[in-house]
Parts: sequence; C-alpha cells; structure tokens
Amino acid sequence: AQSVAQPEDQVNVAEGNPLTVKCTYSVSGNPYLFWYVQYPNRGLQFLLKYITGDNLVKGSYGFEAEFNKSQTSFHLKKPSALVSDSALYFCAVRKRPNFGNEKLTFGTGTRLTIIP
Amino acid sequence: DGGITQSPKYLFRKEGQNVTLSCEQNLNHDAMYWYRQDPGQGLRLIYYSQIVNDFQKGDIAEGYSVSREKKESFPLTVTSAQKNPTAFYLCASNPPGETQYFGPGTRLLVL
Repeated sequence: AQSVAQPEDQVNVAEGNPLTVKCTYSVSGNPYLFWYVQYPNRGLQFLLKYITGDNLVKGSYGFEAEFNKSQTSFHLKKPSALVSDSALYFCAVRKRPNFGNEKLTFGTGTRLTIIP
Repeated sequence: DGGITQSPKYLFRKEGQNVTLSCEQNLNHDAMYWYRQDPGQGLRLIYYSQIVNDFQKGDIAEGYSVSREKKESFPLTVTSAQKNPTAFYLCASNPPGETQYFGPGTRLLVL
C-alpha cells in the first residue's frame, strides 16, 4: 500500500519570506512524486514531479521540491512567497510506472496563506 | 485544465435520483480517473479506466457507476445508493506512465 502525509493543514507565511510545505510518503519500491496546486472551485494544476535523477526538482511559478530518499520526504519550497501563491497544495505518490496500475495516492492537502 | 472538460459545473440532486457527471478529453489519453474531494480528506479515487471498455473500482466505488465506451469520454453516475453525494468531483487523465492532468471539476449538491 502507498500513502502520503502532509502534516500541516495550514501554513502561513509573510510575503517575501521563503516557504516550505511538507510531504512524506510511503511506497514499496521507487516512487514517482508529484505536487499539485488547487485554487478555489478549480481543478488541480500540476506543479512539478520527481521521477529520477537530480533530487532537486524545479517546477512552475518558481516552486521547487527536494526528494530525500532516506527521510522519505518531498517538501515543496519557494525562496520568496507571493500573495498569489495562496492556495491548497497536494502531494501525491505512485510506484514507478507499472502499466495497468498507475493509481495516485494523495495527501490531505495543505492550505498555504501568504500574508501581505 | 488543458483539454479535459467536465460538465456541468454545478449539479443538484434530489433524493432518490441518479445523476451523471460528464468528463471528456481531447488529449488522446488512454487512462482516465474519477476522484471525490471532501474538505480535509484530500482526493479519493472512485473509479479508473486504463483502456476503452474496461474500468476498475477505486477506493470508494460504492454508490457510483461508470462506463468507458469511447476513449475520450468517461461519465460518472452517482446513484441513489450513494447516501452522502455532496462533494467536488474531479476527472483526470494521463498517457501511459505520465503525469495526470485534471479537469475543472463538478460540484454536486443535494436538494
């Protein structure tokens, strides 16, 4: 079984400060890891993913995430927060491609609020 | 939201009524998925389909049904057996081994 934990329901950060949204995962074998963002009453938008290679992954809107295999973590980061970054963020995991079984497992989400 | 459309945006269900949510994609993706989103619970998988004319139950399939007669379409029916249908429903698709992309969602409310 695979699972994702986002330990913080809510994260508040002052505009211009660095932000971190935490994610830890559990999966047998090597993982594919994803971050998505959701604005109110909208679908999920893909931000970035880790497949293999460099542990630091860069994505959309200046976000990046660091894969740490020993800590089974994939924390989302941004050096300088913008008010427009305020949204709901989801971490997701699945096993390396196993065609016919590509189900994603999502965390419960972290609401990020950037304070002007 | 790309080439995935969901309709309607809002849907109202009366007691004992079946309702169908539409999901269409023009991305030529083989795999399609239906998720339910409730506050504080993240996304939970209802049904998924890897190819036409085949689909599998997800984690919370009870009270729902699907069909996959065409590659581009994966409608979800919320039946009267689903006693707590109020939620935000999200459809997604992906080509084999690739990232899932999501539609804009349908909010289902019970009258």
